[in-house]
Amino acid sequence: DVKVTQSSRYLVKRTGEKVFLECVQDMDHENMFWYRQDPGLGLRLIYFSYDVKMKEKGDIPEGYSVSREKKERFSLILESASTNQTSMYLCASSLITSGSNEQFFGPGTRLTVL
Amino acid sequence: KNEVEQSPQNLTAQEGEFITINCSYSVGISALHWLQQHPGGGIVSLFMLSSGKKKHGRLIATINIQEKHSSLHITASHPRDSAVYICAVCPFMNYGGSQGNLIFGKGTKLSVKP
Repeated sequence: DVKVTQSSRYLVKRTGEKVFLECVQDMDHENMFWYRQDPGLGLRLIYFSYDVKMKEKGDIPEGYSVSREKKERFSLILESASTNQTSMYLCASSLITSGSNEQFFGPGTRLTVL
Repeated sequence: KNEVEQSPQNLTAQEGEFITINCSYSVGISALHWLQQHPGGGIVSLFMLSSGKKKHGRLIATINIQEKHSSLHITASHPRDSAVYICAVCPFMNYGGSQGNLIFGKGTKLSVKP
């Protein structure tokens, strides 16, 4: 079974803090994704990566950066957290050769920025 | 206009009722996914379809590629079916979707009352 883990289920941070969200997958997937999920808006893609040290902006990259130093690990960084970044953050991974683009999701991190 | 539209947004049903959730999309696709998200966050894949119909237990998913439409049916609904159901499509590469990306609907929140 593919396992995607995220470093925290719940996180509370203060405005202006630097926040790191970590995601690890154990199935040697090339693609990794970071989404945020908000009521009424669904899943929105922040960044994705298709290889180590490669990254691509998604639909809403502003205020975020990412790091992929190892194939299994994809980190999302909030350089200076703001209250409008309070959200559920979901990480996913998939095989690059999968014609259906099936993605496997982590359990999510609910981030609250005060 | 969203490329993937789901209806209804919210659905309340009585236990035992037959439920249908609809998904329409506007891009050419190679596959469509139905995902389930229980309260607490984790997203799991229910079905992956490229044509026809699939059944798993009380869940049935159908797709009509010509009409760009899919439905998810739940027979004999139960309170444990309460969740958000998300439709996601895998676009053909020439529609601009990067390899590995999915386009998500905003989800349908289902609540089944005992």
